[in-house]
Amino acid sequence: EMQLVESGGGLVQPGRSLRLSCAVSGFTFDDYGMHWVRQVPGKGLEWVASISWNSGSVAYADSVKGRFTISRDNAKNSLYLQMNTLRGEDTALYHCAKDITATFGGAEYGMDVWGQGTTVTVS
Amino acid sequence: QSVLTQPPSASGTPGQRVSISCSGSSSNVGSNSVNWYQQLPGTAPKLLIYGDDQRPSGVPGRFSGSKSGTSASLAISGLQSNDEADYYCAAWDDSLNGLYVFGTGTKVTVL
Repeated sequence: EMQLVESGGGLVQPGRSLRLSCAVSGFTFDDYGMHWVRQVPGKGLEWVASISWNSGSVAYADSVKGRFTISRDNAKNSLYLQMNTLRGEDTALYHCAKDITATFGGAEYGMDVWGQGTTVTVS
Repeated sequence: QSVLTQPPSASGTPGQRVSISCSGSSSNVGSNSVNWYQQLPGTAPKLLIYGDDQRPSGVPGRFSGSKSGTSASLAISGLQSNDEADYYCAAWDDSLNGLYVFGTGTKVTVL
């Protein structure tokens, strides 16, 4: 069974940093692109960042560009999100998600496996 | 603020067909394929449609996607009580540095 388990969330003061992790199992991690998506409770989904299978391509939402860094360690089957200079508006449930392809964008793409998320509260 | 616009709500009785629209622009829906996600209460989203009209393995045929120009639609036929959920369209956007955008979301209620 494909599984994604996020960790690293918590309560943090504005301006501080936090690193989220996503442990992957049940599929060949380095075959697929990966994403971070966040959701404020009761609100819609917001894409945060994406990374290709070999870390050769990354992309960020304008709202986090320059503050967040997505990375992956294929040897450890893990995805990360380094979040710096956190703001109140970064408060959300953060999900990691697997793409159906090795990268993102392209002719076909989509997030077909999701973790349950880890909560980040900036206050 | 999302660039993909969906109606906030839709509803139908069991067995009916419900359709949800997703309005975008030439830089997203008009030039890239559309995804649809279902989010049941308290759960993570689930991919329903990719490539405008393709269903991942395990997604019932009651769910179908279509696209015309800068608008896309998700249709749910044979509506069931367990279809009550939030539905989001999404697409890659080619503007600026490229980004993935979700729609505003539609709450489907089964009456």
